Amino acid sequence: SAVISQKPSRDICQRGTSLTIQCQVDSQVTMMFWYRQQPGQSLTLIATANQGSEATYESGFVIDKFPISRPNLTFSTLTVSNMSPEDSSIYLCSVRTGVEAFFGQGTRLTVV
Amino acid sequence: KQEVTQIPAALSVPEGENLVLNCSFTDSAIYNLQWFRQDPGKGLTSLLLIQSSQREQTSGRLNASLDKSSGRSTLYIAASQPGDSATYLCAVGVKGGSEKLVFGKGTKLTVNP
Repeated sequence: SAVISQKPSRDICQRGTSLTIQCQVDSQVTMMFWYRQQPGQSLTLIATANQGSEATYESGFVIDKFPISRPNLTFSTLTVSNMSPEDSSIYLCSVRTGVEAFFGQGTRLTVV
Repeated sequence: KQEVTQIPAALSVPEGENLVLNCSFTDSAIYNLQWFRQDPGKGLTSLLLIQSSQREQTSGRLNASLDKSSGRSTLYIAASQPGDSATYLCAVGVKGGSEKLVFGKGTKLTVNP
């Protein structure tokens, strides 16, 4: 298993600003995943972050809007840039150990 | 494109009842299926993982089945308790380079004392 810590757990931000979400894992992992859960919707993968290389973004998500860092095998950040109310969501970090996926507690973002 | 559907969207049952949550997916080319629980304001807790070669997995009062050919999975909860109240999410592991999970929207379960 894996224990994942996310910070902050929630935030209320002004439109046009940026927020950086941190994800810390208690073990070294090759890939870290960032998901978004919009209100009433299912989780959607934003990007996959590998240590030492650029993140791979899913269709509909771009690096300028969601820049990701992966400085080592236990840590990653996701930035939500130039926020609008449509970015209000829960953002979740995830890792795999073996074939099983584990998630952090999420960051609940509200943009006003 | 893989799509995952969960039925029902919400379910309310009295304590002690056995219940079944359903999950269907459109593309049978999956490498696993995972059931999660999500409590309000919390992240996801992994409940059961079924590999594509397996038919079912059990953990305590939970039993999950997988029928890949028909694109279906069920989560059976025996003797439900108020503490089981949560949203249950089904996710399929998609074959390919990204190793991503495709999620359903979930079933919100309420178990009444």
